[in-house]
Amino acid sequence: AQKITQTQPGMFVQEKEAVTLDCTYDTSDPSYGLFWYKQPSSGEMIFLIYQGSYDQQNATEGRYSLNFQKARKSANLVISASQLGDSAMYFCAMRENDYKLSFGAGTTVTVRA
Amino acid sequence: GAGVSQSPSNKVTEKGKDVELRCDPISGHTALYWYRQRLGQGLEFLIYFQGNSAPDKSGLPSDRFSAERTGESVSTLTIQRTQQEDSAVYLCASSLSGGEPDTQYFGPGTRLTVL
Repeated sequence: AQKITQTQPGMFVQEKEAVTLDCTYDTSDPSYGLFWYKQPSSGEMIFLIYQGSYDQQNATEGRYSLNFQKARKSANLVISASQLGDSAMYFCAMRENDYKLSFGAGTTVTVRA
Repeated sequence: GAGVSQSPSNKVTEKGKDVELRCDPISGHTALYWYRQRLGQGLEFLIYFQGNSAPDKSGLPSDRFSAERTGESVSTLTIQRTQQEDSAVYLCASSLSGGEPDTQYFGPGTRLTVL
């Protein structure tokens, strides 16, 4: 069974606007962590933001925020005030009881000037 | 400080040859991971090293794949008798392995092409 589902293969967003990237997950573990990574065309994976399953507040890091809805098992990434440099592939990932990360298929974001 | 480094950045090989990929983790990071990313897809876990513990090899796709790590430093991933389906980007990550969130930081990857 797919542990991480990203249903949006690609998205376009206008510069300076906000964009929401969807991520749903599947786990029966009470303790887990959710991560978002950015992968530009250069190929490196850049860590953006983390949300723990017991965290009461939604995580925020600069222009990135995570809309965590535990009952719905969703962890959507919101990028505010999009910049041209935000154009990249974005991956949602989950770590359960162990250390491995399970990744979604990714969403390609293209920011238009 | 220096991030995770990997070498080579690109490797083209012929089917049937052996290849060796190298990863230098962030200094002080005790945990090291290898992942594979096929074109246009997410990452697949391959293997995990933690200190001197036995590695978790559960993600290795076949016995042609093996990996070693010297203490808490360099790791090498070896693929023997390469096949065309081995073509992918191989990414290495490291983490401190102490408490949440234990974020994994990735290297730039090695792009392997098997002809």
